Amino acid sequence: QKEVEQNSGPLSVPEGAIASLNCTYSDRGSQSFFWYRQYSGKSPELIMSIYSNGDKEDGRFTAQLNKASQYVSLLIRDSQPSDSATYLCAVKTGANNLFFGTGTRLTVIP
Amino acid sequence: SAVISQKPSRDICQRGTSLTIQCQVDSQVTMMFWYRQQPGQSLTLIATANQGSEATYESGFVIDKFPISRPNLTFSTLTVSNMSPEDSSIYLCSARTSAGTGELFFGEGSRLTVL
Repeated sequence: QKEVEQNSGPLSVPEGAIASLNCTYSDRGSQSFFWYRQYSGKSPELIMSIYSNGDKEDGRFTAQLNKASQYVSLLIRDSQPSDSATYLCAVKTGANNLFFGTGTRLTVIP
Repeated sequence: SAVISQKPSRDICQRGTSLTIQCQVDSQVTMMFWYRQQPGQSLTLIATANQGSEATYESGFVIDKFPISRPNLTFSTLTVSNMSPEDSSIYLCSARTSAGTGELFFGEGSRLTVL
């Protein structure tokens, strides 16, 4: 069983719509959760972190965490073409290790 | 956050040769890591670079193939030894500035192509 699972997509949304990205994880003891954005040919860039159940908002981004369901999501409101990228979910399990999902490729259509 | 510089940014290598990638962080960090990202795939942790001691390798990675050094808090190297085409990948240096929260910051990566 993979540690972190994401729908690989591609996910296409029209400009201005809400993009919803989902992630599940297997280790119930995980405490820290992150979303990274990776443009093609570039390195991952941290965009959100969340540590407790509920929602965390930062601009157009909202991260949602449900530890009971072992589920974390990222919502992007008012999607822009510049949001087109691969979004990686990462979960910190144990002392050091950060496990990454395979990523969801998002395309925002103008 | 941390600014992480890697070099080379890309290289084309011959089978059987070795290449060393350098990683420099602009501030003192608690931990440094090396990841590999093969084409179309996610990130796989190769090892944790420990200051002044041997790196801690993940399953499937060994020191003879991927020797790592970290002589001080802000600098690390990864060598890819005796390369084969299967080693063609992006190698990413990353660092954690706060052990409590766990965010990782990444360098721009080193794209290696092995012919």
